[in-house]
Amino acid sequence: GQQLNQSPQSMFIQEGEDVSMNCTSSSIFNTWLWYKQDPGEGPVLLIALYKAGELTSNGRLTAQFGITRKDSFLNISASIPSDVGIYFCAGHPPGSGGSNYKLTFGKGTLLTVNP
Amino acid sequence: EAQVTQNPRYLITVTGKKLTVTCSQNMNHEYMSWYRQDPGLGLRQIYYSMNVEVTDKGDVPEGYKVSRKEKRNFPLILESPSPNQTSLYFCASTGENGRGTKNIQYFGAGTRLSVL
Repeated sequence: GQQLNQSPQSMFIQEGEDVSMNCTSSSIFNTWLWYKQDPGEGPVLLIALYKAGELTSNGRLTAQFGITRKDSFLNISASIPSDVGIYFCAGHPPGSGGSNYKLTFGKGTLLTVNP
Repeated sequence: EAQVTQNPRYLITVTGKKLTVTCSQNMNHEYMSWYRQDPGLGLRQIYYSMNVEVTDKGDVPEGYKVSRKEKRNFPLILESPSPNQTSLYFCASTGENGRGTKNIQYFGAGTRLSVL
C-alpha cells in the first residue's frame, strides 16, 4: 500500500524555538491531515488540507499541502512546553479500496520541548 | 460533545482467552475503524466499517474480528489472543466536524492490551 515518510522521527528543542516537520510520499494523496497525540490519549486533529498548494494556519501552527500532492509540512512557531507529543501526518489516498475515508498515517514525530 | 468511547482502557490477559474491546460513538457517523499503534510503526488500520453490517479488512486484520450491528457500536474481537497482539488500540469514527470540515477522524482514548 501507499506509505508516508515522516521526518524527523524525533526532535528536542528549547521553548520558544520554531519547529518544522514534513511528510512525503511517492504517490499522490487527496487530502493531508496533521494530528497530535498527547501521552495516554488518542490523536487529535490539528489541521486538515484539501487542495494542492493550500496553506492553512491554526494559531501557532501552519501546514501546507504540496503542489505535487505528494508532500506536506507542519510548522510550529514559538514552541511551548505543552507542544510536547507525537505529531502524525495522514492522508487519504485516491481510490483506496472503495473507501474514501481510509487514512494512511506516517510513523510520527516525537517532539520534546525543554522549558 | 463529540465522543468516541473505548472500554476497557487497560487490559492484561493470557494467550487464547477471548476478549472484546468495545467502541461507541455519539456522532451518528457511518464510518468507523480500528487501529493498532506500535513503536516505530505508527498507526495501522485493522478493520473498518462503512455502515451497519458492512465491514472490511484494513492493513493488519489477521487475528481480529469486528461486528457492526448498530451504527454507534463497533467492537473489536480477539478470538484467541497471542503475545504479538500486545499493543495500543484505537477506535475511530469519521464524519464532518460541524463546521463544514469533512472526513475528520475522531479517535477514542485508546486501549492498552497486554497478552501474556
